[in-house]
Amino acid sequence: AQKVTQAQTEISVVEKEDVTLDCVYETRDTTYYLFWYKQPPSGELVFLIRRNSFDEQNEISGRYSWNFQKSTSSFNFTITASQVVDSAVYFCALPRIQGAQKLVFGQGTRLTINP
Amino acid sequence: DVKVTQSSRYLVKRTGEKVFLECVQDMDHENMFWYRQDPGLGLRLIYFSYDVKMKEKGDIPEGYSVSREKKERFSLILESASTNQTSMYLCASSLGRSGYQPQHFGDGTRLSIL
Repeated sequence: AQKVTQAQTEISVVEKEDVTLDCVYETRDTTYYLFWYKQPPSGELVFLIRRNSFDEQNEISGRYSWNFQKSTSSFNFTITASQVVDSAVYFCALPRIQGAQKLVFGQGTRLTINP
Repeated sequence: DVKVTQSSRYLVKRTGEKVFLECVQDMDHENMFWYRQDPGLGLRLIYFSYDVKMKEKGDIPEGYSVSREKKERFSLILESASTNQTSMYLCASSLGRSGYQPQHFGDGTRLSIL
């Protein structure tokens, strides 16, 4: 069965530090998509990125970067020079079966950035 | 931008009441979802709808029903509210039939059943 593991339940760092959130997944599918979402204290989940399993290039968007490694089934998320506004719960997700709309979510990592 | 609107941010109801949570999306998305989120349990899918009047049970459908009479609106119904249904409820929508379109979420409804 599809599975997403975010082993880090909580992370706390000081502002301006770099931080990496881990995501390890299990899938039987040969092609698949992976997603990251951010849930700030206000409650809504915000879509951050979608990655196709065909594309193993790292993605960078401002202070955010994603490292996708198919060989280790990992899709890690790094925030460079963290800011207090980055404080949130971050979720990694994967479709339940190939082509399905329903997702399997990891348990989430609560990130706290201290000033 | 996709907009998913949930009717209430906070709601307090009494045990045994019939409770309606409403969700509206403005992007003509085929798919809509209802989740509940509880500490330590993550996000759990209650129901999924892939078209008007079409629905699928999720992981925890017991005690809930849904209605999708129009494409843009997806309602979650607690038939007879119980205290263990106190939770954060999140609605989401997504485009198309494939598994690569992201889901877009509403702000959530914090429901308390007294």
